Amino acid sequence: GESVGLHLPTLSVQEGDNSIINCAYSNSASDYFIWYKQESGKGPQFIIDIRSNMDKRQGQRVTVLLNKTVKHLSLQIAATQPGDSAVYFCAENWGGGSQGNLIFGKGTKLSVKP
Amino acid sequence: DADVTQTPRNRITKTGKRIMLECSQTKGHDRMYWYRQDPGLGLRLIYYSFDVKDINKGEISDGYSVSRQAQAKFSLSLESAIPNQTALYFCATSDSPRGRGDEQFFGPGTRLTVL
Repeated sequence: GESVGLHLPTLSVQEGDNSIINCAYSNSASDYFIWYKQESGKGPQFIIDIRSNMDKRQGQRVTVLLNKTVKHLSLQIAATQPGDSAVYFCAENWGGGSQGNLIFGKGTKLSVKP
Repeated sequence: DADVTQTPRNRITKTGKRIMLECSQTKGHDRMYWYRQDPGLGLRLIYYSFDVKDINKGEISDGYSVSRQAQAKFSLSLESAIPNQTALYFCATSDSPRGRGDEQFFGPGTRLTVL
């Protein structure tokens, strides 16, 4: 079956540097993608999302890039802070948008060094 | 997110016992979901419900059952718990596609240990 995966299971960055977390997807029918942040002991929290009719979307300190040609999704965090330390999950929406089911990747752990 | 609550937050039980995990939401969302999370495996969908009369199996429904008692309540049951059901369980909600759409809001999780 098709699934969402991640290139890097762990990422360690220096405080103040930019972070890039990557995600590959294989379901060409997916039309919605979302990034979640999960801190230790908590449930996943929404960071940013993007629909397939866009290739870039910016939030506060975060940017999501979507490359449909190579089925690649990335999350960029500017000026990474210690509070950004968490596990980050990408997810894609199967079922053409109306189903609402998200398929999650396995996660990347981001560690920020002070 | 206090809008989605789960009880209990932690539970230790023995093999063969029946366990119910409960989820409540005050977001007014139609859709509710149950996931389990295992180290290195991410989140996997167990069951989902698009409204009170709608229940659907997810990726890993075997050994689990659910009940949608009301729009705001969605419970997950393990009829006869086994050790490989030891995991972190999350409930989530989302609005219908006519609303916000696909973003899911997660509860704080229930850590279940089956001895």
